[in-house]
Amino acid sequence: EDQVTQSPEALRLQEGESSSLNCSYTVSGLRGLFWYRQDPGKGPEFLFTLYSAGEEKEKERLKATLTKKESFLHITAPKPEDSATYLCAVQAVGTYKYIFGTGTRLKVLA
Amino acid sequence: DVKVTQSSRYLVKRTGEKVFLECVQDMDHENMFWYRQDPGLGLRLIYFSYDVKMKEKGDIPEGYSVSREKKERFSLILESASTNQTSMYLCASLKGPTQETQYFGPGTRLLVL
Repeated sequence: EDQVTQSPEALRLQEGESSSLNCSYTVSGLRGLFWYRQDPGKGPEFLFTLYSAGEEKEKERLKATLTKKESFLHITAPKPEDSATYLCAVQAVGTYKYIFGTGTRLKVLA
Repeated sequence: DVKVTQSSRYLVKRTGEKVFLECVQDMDHENMFWYRQDPGLGLRLIYFSYDVKMKEKGDIPEGYSVSREKKERFSLILESASTNQTSMYLCASLKGPTQETQYFGPGTRLLVL
């Protein structure tokens, strides 16, 4: 069964304290892995798509990486405005369906 | 930029009422989706549509129906609202086979009393 597990559930960082969020997945043929940011009471905002092991994408303080079993979202020198829930999803080959993880709630303290 | 809009940000309904949630996208996307999001359960797919008048059940279709009469508009219908349908409802759209990224609307928070 296709599955996505995110860890940790919640993370508190001091401003400037770099860390990583994990997304472990099992899927019968990966078509794509997606990272989203979601602020409270709002819809998910697209961040990155990764397609194959070894691929990396960067945007400002965020960097996403992908292996055959997991993806990491690295946050370098975070700021309070990076506080949000980060969602990971996978899409299997041959389907439009996404399987979502339950997210990591990140709080960055000033 | 893709824009997905939802008809209401907040709704309060009574048990047994028929509820309509509307979603509109402005990028000529073929595929549209309805999810609900609950704490600890993540996003769960209710229904999706891959073309006008075409639909497929997702993981939790019970108690819901959908309508897609025009390409840009996808409606979610709660035939007889129940308290366990209190949730955040999210609509998303997707271009097609060569573009896999789903873009989400702002969400509708529904409270059923």
